[in-house]
Amino acid sequence: SQKIEQNSEALNIQEGKTATLTCNYTNYSPAYLQWYRQDPGRGPVFLLLIRENEKEKRKERLKVTFDTTLKQSLFHITASQPADSATYLCALGRRATDSWGKLQFGAGTQVVVTP
Amino acid sequence: NAGVTQTPKFQVLKTGQSMTLQCAQDMNHEYMSWYRQDPGMGLRLIHYSVGAGITDQGEVPNGYNVSRSTTEDFPLRLLSAAPSQTSVYFCASSSGRDGNSPLHFGNGTRLTVT
Repeated sequence: SQKIEQNSEALNIQEGKTATLTCNYTNYSPAYLQWYRQDPGRGPVFLLLIRENEKEKRKERLKVTFDTTLKQSLFHITASQPADSATYLCALGRRATDSWGKLQFGAGTQVVVTP
Repeated sequence: NAGVTQTPKFQVLKTGQSMTLQCAQDMNHEYMSWYRQDPGMGLRLIHYSVGAGITDQGEVPNGYNVSRSTTEDFPLRLLSAAPSQTSVYFCASSSGRDGNSPLHFGNGTRLTVT
C-alpha cells in the first residue's frame, strides 16, 4: 500500500541554523509534491509545490528538493527563526485528471526553533 | 479576505446524534473537500466535490454524507455519531483539478463524540 513517512520526532533547532525535514514515500509515483505549514488550532497553509521534473524549488528562506529515484523530498528552512516553529506536512499528488482531492498527506514533523 | 470558513469551531456530541459541519468558500473554487486529522496520522480524505451537484467518496467516507448545491458551500453531515468520529475536520478548496494546485484550508472543527 502507499505510504508517506515524515519524522514523527520533533526537530529542535537553534535560531539561525538550517532545519532539514524529510518526506519519504513508497508504492507511489507522484507527479507533484507539496509542503504545508500547520500551526496549533489552525488549518494547513500551502508553502511550496515541486513537480517530478524539477530537482529544486526555492521561496525566500525555504528550499525543497525532490528525488524520484530515492523517493524522497527534503524541505529546508534556512536562517530559522522562532516564528518558523510549526508542524510541516508533505503531500503527494498525481497528474491524472481524476486525482484532485486525492492528495496523500504525511503525518507531519514538528519544528521547534529556540532563540 | 475570508477564504474558507468552517463552523462551528468546537462541537461535542453524544453517540447516535447527528449534526452538520458547515464549510463555505468565497474564492469561486470548483473543487472542495473534507479531511479528518487524527494524532499521528496524515490528513485523510472523506468526501470531495468537483463542482456544484457533483460529489464523490474519498478514503474514509463511511458515516458521512455530503452535498454541493452551490459553488460556495459544502456541508458535511454525520448521520449517527460514533466515538471513532472524534477528530478534527478540515474543509479545503482548490482552483485546480490535480496535484498541481494547492489546497486552501479552513481552520477546522474539533469534534468530540462521547
